[in-house]
Amino acid sequence: AQSVTQPDIHITVSEGASLELRCNYSYGATPYLFWYVQSPGQGLQLLLKYFSGDTLVQGIKGFEAEFKRSQSSFNLRKPSVHWSDAAEYFCAVGGGSTDSWGKFQFGAGTQVVVTP
Amino acid sequence: DGGITQSPKYLFRKEGQNVTLSCEQNLNHDAMYWYRQDPGQGLRLIYYSQIVNDFQKGDIAEGYSVSREKKESFPLTVTSAQKNPTAFYLCASGSSGTDTQYFGPGTRLTVL
Repeated sequence: AQSVTQPDIHITVSEGASLELRCNYSYGATPYLFWYVQSPGQGLQLLLKYFSGDTLVQGIKGFEAEFKRSQSSFNLRKPSVHWSDAAEYFCAVGGGSTDSWGKFQFGAGTQVVVTP
Repeated sequence: DGGITQSPKYLFRKEGQNVTLSCEQNLNHDAMYWYRQDPGQGLRLIYYSQIVNDFQKGDIAEGYSVSREKKESFPLTVTSAQKNPTAFYLCASGSSGTDTQYFGPGTRLTVL
């Protein structure tokens, strides 16, 4: 069964500092991987996704993520955070096979707090 | 504007009453989904539909029901059988084959 682990429940980072959010997955085949961001009381916005090809994926808002098959990881990074990046971030894994089509597994989320 | 709309944004109901949450999309997506979000638990799949007039149970379908009579609409009914219905409910849709899901703004249901 597919699963996603986000080891960090809560991260505090200073504005202008770099940010890295960890995501580890378990999946039998080649996974489809996603990062979403959620502001309080809002829906989820897609930041980026990985299906195949280049393992370094660029997303919106200056985020990037790197797929490392050997480590079963898909960590999200941003070189310099802005106060507006304070939000909750979710990693998700889905599959392209018929059986798992559309069935995402979401991590529990990482809450990011940005300090001045 | 293309997108997913959910209404209402906030909903209050008395215990024992059924309530229906609306989800509409104009993205021409075949697939639609309902998730429940509770603090610290991420998102859990309630029901999903890959095509009109067909839907499947997700991981936590007990106490919920859905219909998919139109491509654009996927309403969720929270029945009185759902033991703990207070939560944030998210609807999503996606194109067949791409696996990317796009989310609506959510409905916060509070049962008093």
